[in-house]
Amino acid sequence: QVNLLQSGAALVKPGASVKLSCKASGYTFTDYYIHWVKQSHGKSLEWIGYINPNSGYTNYNEKFKSKATLTVDKSTNTAYMELSRLTSEDSATYYCTRRMGDYWGQGVMVTVSS
Amino acid sequence: DVVLTQTPPTLSATIGQSVSISCRSSQSLLHSNGNTYLNWLLQRPGQPPQLLIYLVSRLESGVPNRFSGSGSGTDFTLKISGVEAEDLGVYYCVQSTHAPFTFGSGTKLEIK
Repeated sequence: QVNLLQSGAALVKPGASVKLSCKASGYTFTDYYIHWVKQSHGKSLEWIGYINPNSGYTNYNEKFKSKATLTVDKSTNTAYMELSRLTSEDSATYYCTRRMGDYWGQGVMVTVSS
Repeated sequence: DVVLTQTPPTLSATIGQSVSISCRSSQSLLHSNGNTYLNWLLQRPGQPPQLLIYLVSRLESGVPNRFSGSGSGTDFTLKISGVEAEDLGVYYCVQSTHAPFTFGSGTKLEIK
């Protein structure tokens, strides 16, 4: 069965970076785009961008272009999102999802605090 | 950016009641390829979202058929025909016709 397993929660200091992972299983990794979505506490959802695991092509929400970097490792069927120059505004739960919704990772909470 | 306006923001229903949620888009979601990329998601408390409906009206595999979607262009509706206790949570519409893809603000369904 399809599964997207995300890395564990992260506590990071302001100004630092963090790299989140999303390991796919149960399907051919290169057949479907992986999207990343942000959910601030108690709020709605924001689309960060997607990556084509086959080609590495990315498409970002302009709002997150200088914040997020999406990559994949086809050898391990894993997608990554690196968030840079973290501030309190980046504290949120981040999800990876296949095809903009048919399968979701369990989410990873990122807390930015000194 | 496309703005999706969901109404109502909260909904209180009894078991067995039928309810509808509206999602209105600030521009047409009809893609040049003829598809309309409007999905409905349910996020139960403490869980990631799950897909209920895709392409406006297609029921995702495994989703009960009491859920149905309809609409076109800019106006879309999710209907639950006979609410069950497990349906509580927040419902979101999401469009992926126009980048950046956007979500509605959510409708919280409470069970009376």
